[in-house]
Amino acid sequence: DTGVSQNPRHKITKRGQNVTFRCDPISEHNRLYWYRQTLGQGPEFLTYFQNEAQLEKSRLLSDRFSAERPKGSFSTLEIQRTEQGDSAMYLCASSLEGSVSYEQYFGPGTRLTVT
Amino acid sequence: AQSVTQPDIHITVSEGASLELRCNYSYGATPYLFWYVQSPGQGLQLLLKYFSGDTLVQGIKGFEAEFKRSQSSFNLRKPSVHWSDAAEYFCAVDGAQKLVFGQGTRLTINP
Repeated sequence: DTGVSQNPRHKITKRGQNVTFRCDPISEHNRLYWYRQTLGQGPEFLTYFQNEAQLEKSRLLSDRFSAERPKGSFSTLEIQRTEQGDSAMYLCASSLEGSVSYEQYFGPGTRLTVT
Repeated sequence: AQSVTQPDIHITVSEGASLELRCNYSYGATPYLFWYVQSPGQGLQLLLKYFSGDTLVQGIKGFEAEFKRSQSSFNLRKPSVHWSDAAEYFCAVDGAQKLVFGQGTRLTINP
């Protein structure tokens, strides 16, 4: 169990550019979640996958945001035409559906700064 | 809709003193409740969780929490804090396949 990994850990971009983040979940976990955390706030749910199917999207996920999990393993979160309001920590988590503990394991996050 | 309120944004305690962090939730059914800790630059680590049964749950690092349905609360406690406990603490409720978090309580430890 190597834990949830996220890359890059930090990203600085100029407004209007596109960015893509990657999340590698714990290998046997079939659920993968994306959350966004702004300074001084708790994480807010964005979307989640069960295997490769995207089952729910928050209304926080505007049409500039897209997430994929093509083979049910790693996931990518892309933000197009970034805005300063997108600056935040993007957290990924994974869990095993049907497990007794129902625990979401979080990665270290990707901190995005839009200048 | 589910929601979580952590009334204290920032708490300062002396090392060795006891700690209680407050959490109130809003949820229609029996909630699944969690406490997570986040250290600077790190991801969230689960401290403990409540699903059902005994209302006093034990977690890692000497933490415990008590579920009180009548008060819609799930407060986190530790009898004696250590300097390494300084961090941000988040209470969360399971909101149908996703976690709904409170805004967090930042804990500072005085030596």
